[in-house]
Amino acid sequence: SQQGEEDPQALSIQEGENATMNCSYKTSINNLQWYRQNSGRGLVHLILIRSNEREKHSGRLRVTLDTSKKSSSLLITASRAADTASYFCATDAGGNQFYFGTGTSLTVIP
Amino acid sequence: GAVVSQHPSWVICKSGTSVKIECRSLDFQATTMFWYRQFPKQSLMLMATSNEGSKATYEQGVEKDKFLINHASLTLSTLTVTSAHPEDSSFYICSARGVGEAFFGQGTRLTVV
Repeated sequence: SQQGEEDPQALSIQEGENATMNCSYKTSINNLQWYRQNSGRGLVHLILIRSNEREKHSGRLRVTLDTSKKSSSLLITASRAADTASYFCATDAGGNQFYFGTGTSLTVIP
Repeated sequence: GAVVSQHPSWVICKSGTSVKIECRSLDFQATTMFWYRQFPKQSLMLMATSNEGSKATYEQGVEKDKFLINHASLTLSTLTVTSAHPEDSSFYICSARGVGEAFFGQGTRLTVV
């Protein structure tokens, strides 16, 4: 089952530019996580933001959460070619509900 | 954050054989584990949910006799793909939940030849 929808589905930017990806979900959540997946590789956990948090930073990553709009955004600043990957949001509603979004494919052009 | 480890990270097997994938929670006790499958260029699809010591709950369309799940301890769940066929080739990912948040493992790429 999925409840997270990322947009855009694909994003192509020049190296050095900022990349913004959005995630929308449907039900109340305890927290939301962002993961990165390089082509053909495993998932890498990037950041977790709890439902009572509005913004969180980690290095070049900035995540926001708007629970009233049921949406989150991931901003990657000063992008690098190595940031090229697919980015997914995962929404944790507690219990047996842990949903994965559809993903945004980011291409950073050197 | 908590660490969820999968093993192996990739495996190649012959058609007709069975493959076991392990999912371990390294620094917390996982009362619930989830198994997902990812098709190329698609998101993860939930296959089944397992609670420690009880039978797994499978999503509609997932063959429980094909994908055997064992959650025998609070730190380990296994997924066994039985009598694997080329169409079972995929990326399999587990996630584990303890008292607090749930986290994903890094995934296992299965190729059946």
